[in-house]
Parts: sequence; structure tokens; C-alpha cells
Amino acid sequence: RKEVEQDPGPFNVPEGATVAFNCTYSNSASQSFFWYRQDCRKEPKLLMSVYSSGNEDGRFTAQLNRASQYISLLIRDSKLSDSATYLCVVLYAGGTSYGKLTFGQGTILTVHP
Amino acid sequence: EAQVTQNPRYLITVTGKKLTVTCSQNMNHEYMSWYRQDPGLGLRQIYYSMNVEVTDKGDVPEGYKVSRKEKRNFPLILESPSPNQTSLYFCASSSKSYPTGQGDWDTEAFFGQGTRLTVV
Repeated sequence: RKEVEQDPGPFNVPEGATVAFNCTYSNSASQSFFWYRQDCRKEPKLLMSVYSSGNEDGRFTAQLNRASQYISLLIRDSKLSDSATYLCVVLYAGGTSYGKLTFGQGTILTVHP
Repeated sequence: EAQVTQNPRYLITVTGKKLTVTCSQNMNHEYMSWYRQDPGLGLRQIYYSMNVEVTDKGDVPEGYKVSRKEKRNFPLILESPSPNQTSLYFCASSSKSYPTGQGDWDTEAFFGQGTRLTVV
């Protein structure tokens, strides 16, 4: 089983749609959680951290369920510029691998007019 | 400006010819790491460093070496490159995670712009 698993996608949605991405992680010692965005063959960039209480940044809402080891990202009112690959990222904080970031395979989102 | 700089951005080389990809960060981060990204396989960690002179293998370390003699630099060395090391490589750095005060921990990883390596 992969340490971090995401919806395989791809997602192809019209502008204005709401789209949700899901992610599960297997290591209960995971400490921190993030969504990164990667545009085609460019470096990943932080979209938002994910907190236990849930957090929102404009059209983006992230949620974390530590008991179920589940992370989600909701994008409302999709824009063409949201087209990218979304990466679920988990920071492991145990043993000798402290600080190791583990990435999900990514979900491709295409927003069309 | 916070920055992770990788060089070169593009490299075509021949099998067996030793090469080094440099990575430098200006944020005084403790943690640095190398990833390769291949279609269908996502980002996989090659090597990781928690601080100067402290390195650890990631998920796919075979065929690679690293060193961390200075905090800002973390070069990736391919002693004898092979075609299966053709890939897109990213260097990343991050600070120690810190408590948010609400039971969570946070940090941010910054990535270099990537090195597209082709081994023929």
C-alpha cells in the first residue's frame, strides 16, 4: 500500500464547477499535511497547509480527519487557471525519517470553458 | 527573495559519465532533499538531509550520492549515469516544522525549478 494515495483522476470540469480531491495516508506518525499545486513540468508550489480544524483560503477549502487518516481539498467556482496537478503531501515525524515529505501521485485537473 | 536554485536546468549526457546537479538555498533551512519525477510514478524521494553532514536514503537512492558539507548546498551526484536515470529532478528545502498552537504543525517546502536530465 502506498504511503499517500490520491484520487487517480483526471478531473475534467467546466468553469464554475465545484471539484473535490481526496487523499489518504497510511502512517499514523504523520505530522503535517499539505496540498501542493504543480503546473506542467514546473516545480510544485504550496497551495495550502491542512489543519485539524479545517481551513479555507478563498475558493479553496482543506480538511483533515486524523482518525480516518484522510485529507480533502475542495475547489469552488473553478477557474481556467486552476488547471494543474494537485499533490497531496504528508510530513512524517517519526524515527530517523523525521521531516520526510511524502507525495501522492497527484491528480490532474482540467477546467474547460 | 526565498529561493532554491538548481543547476543545470537541462542536461543531456552519455551513459557512465559522472555528473553533478547542484542545489543551493538561501533560507538557512535545515532540511533538504532530492526527488525525481517520472510519468505515472509521481515524485519519489532520492535522498534527504536533516542538517550538515546528516543524510539519509529516500525511496529510490540506488545510483545516486549526495553530500551536505554546508547548510546551503546539497549536490546530487550520479557517479555512472544510466538511461533509467533519465528523469525530471527537483531539489527542495524546508525549515523545521513548528506548532501552530492549535494542535497542528506546519512548515513549507520550497522547490528548485527542476533539472531535466537525459542519459543516452
